[in-house]
Amino acid sequence: EPEVTQTPSHQVTQMGQEVILRCVPISNHLYFYWYRQILGQKVEFLVSFYNNEISEKSEIFDDQFSVERPDGSNFTLKIRSTKLEDSAMYFCAGLEDRGHGYTFGSGTRLTVV
Amino acid sequence: SQQGEEDPQALSIQEGENATMNCSYKTSINNLQWYRQNSGRGLVHLILIRSNEREKHSGRLRVTLDTSKKSSSLLITASRAADTASYFCATVSDGGTSYGKLTFGQGTILTVHP
Repeated sequence: EPEVTQTPSHQVTQMGQEVILRCVPISNHLYFYWYRQILGQKVEFLVSFYNNEISEKSEIFDDQFSVERPDGSNFTLKIRSTKLEDSAMYFCAGLEDRGHGYTFGSGTRLTVV
Repeated sequence: SQQGEEDPQALSIQEGENATMNCSYKTSINNLQWYRQNSGRGLVHLILIRSNEREKHSGRLRVTLDTSKKSSSLLITASRAADTASYFCATVSDGGTSYGKLTFGQGTILTVHP
């Protein structure tokens, strides 16, 4: 069964450093999303991406965050200057069509120290 | 309170028993979905129920939706130790500008004892 692949699985970074989280979506998916889950809290929406542009973003997704499809297939989430409170699991997800269930990646655990 | 709140927050049962988890939400929805998360892992889609549906089955899972009460329930029958996980409901709003984003609840931690 096709999978959404995320790398790295775990990243530790110094506060203030830039991090890039990567996602390889399923090829026939049209809608793409990034979510995050701070330990012990609910999963929160960050941003959606459709037709090669951001379609919606949450209040969390401020100027420190950006999302790109550098080669038309892979996806990246960049945090420019990490803060301690950015420590969380970050999930990439894809959707073939609205009205279907999402396919989530296994996540990247980001630890900012 | 928030969209997609589950109760109970934690549920502990014996293998073979049924587990029922409830979810309430606030806004008008297009569909409601249930996901499972094993500790520290990704989210796995279990079942989706559309706003015009009242009940749906998938294997040992049964989901109900009551749009008048803005609530849903997930029933897992004949539970197994392998069902131990966190279960989340998530809603997709019924709005043209929402590109299918999911709004998650806090989740129910289910523990099934062998």
